[in-house]
Amino acid sequence: DAKTTQPNSMESNEEEPVHLPCNHSTISGTDYIHWYRQLPSQGPEYVIHGLTSNVNNRMASLAIAEDRKSSTLILHRATLRDAAVYYCILREGNQFYFGTGTSLTVIP
Amino acid sequence: DAGITQSPRHKVTETGTPVTLRCHQTENHRYMYWYRQDPGHGLRLIHYSYGVKDTDKGEVSDGYSVSRSKTEDFLLTLESATSSQTSVYFCAISEGVLPDTQYFGPGTRLTVL
Repeated sequence: DAKTTQPNSMESNEEEPVHLPCNHSTISGTDYIHWYRQLPSQGPEYVIHGLTSNVNNRMASLAIAEDRKSSTLILHRATLRDAAVYYCILREGNQFYFGTGTSLTVIP
Repeated sequence: DAGITQSPRHKVTETGTPVTLRCHQTENHRYMYWYRQDPGHGLRLIHYSYGVKDTDKGEVSDGYSVSRSKTEDFLLTLESATSSQTSVYFCAISEGVLPDTQYFGPGTRLTVL
C-alpha cells in the first residue's frame, strides 16, 4: 500500500511557482523521499529525491519538513511541459509503492 | 536517458494465448522491475529481479511469471492471457544501492480481447 498521501489534482498558471505537497507520516529514519512525474503516454520520470535536507536540481526543489512527515516539491516556474502526474514515493523493502499521485494542470 | 527498451510497444492478443514482454537495458544495473498501470491504481509492482536468475514477487504477481537469464534482459510472461491483464506494462531498472532511484522504460500497451 502507498505510504504517502497527495491531493488528487492541482492547477497552476504558467510561469508561476507550484508547490506540490505530500504527507508521509509513517516514514522511517532511513526512508528516502522520491518524486517522479509521468507525462501523458510516457513512463515515469525521476524528478528528485531527498533524505533530510532540502534539495535542489535543475528540474525542481524538494523541501522536507523538520520531522520528515511531509515534503513539498517546488517547481519554480511552471511551464506547459510540466503538466503531468506527480508521484511522491517511499521505498518499502525493495519496492516502490506508487499511489495515484497529483495531476498538475498548467493554465496558459 | 537511461538505456531501457521494451518490446513490443503495442500488442493485441486473445484470451488464453501466451504472451511474453521483453525489457532490455544497457546500463548494467542489478535490479529490474515489472509494473502494470491501470486507471485509478497508479503503478503496481508485478515482479522484480535482483540479479541473474534471482527474482521475487511483487504486489500483483498472480498470473505472471518472469525470467532473467542475462543481466540486460528481463522477460515477463503471461502464460494464458486474460482480459483483466489488459494494461500498460512498464519496466524499470535500478542499481540496488540507496537511494536506489528507478529509471523507467517507455511502456508496452497490451490488450487482451
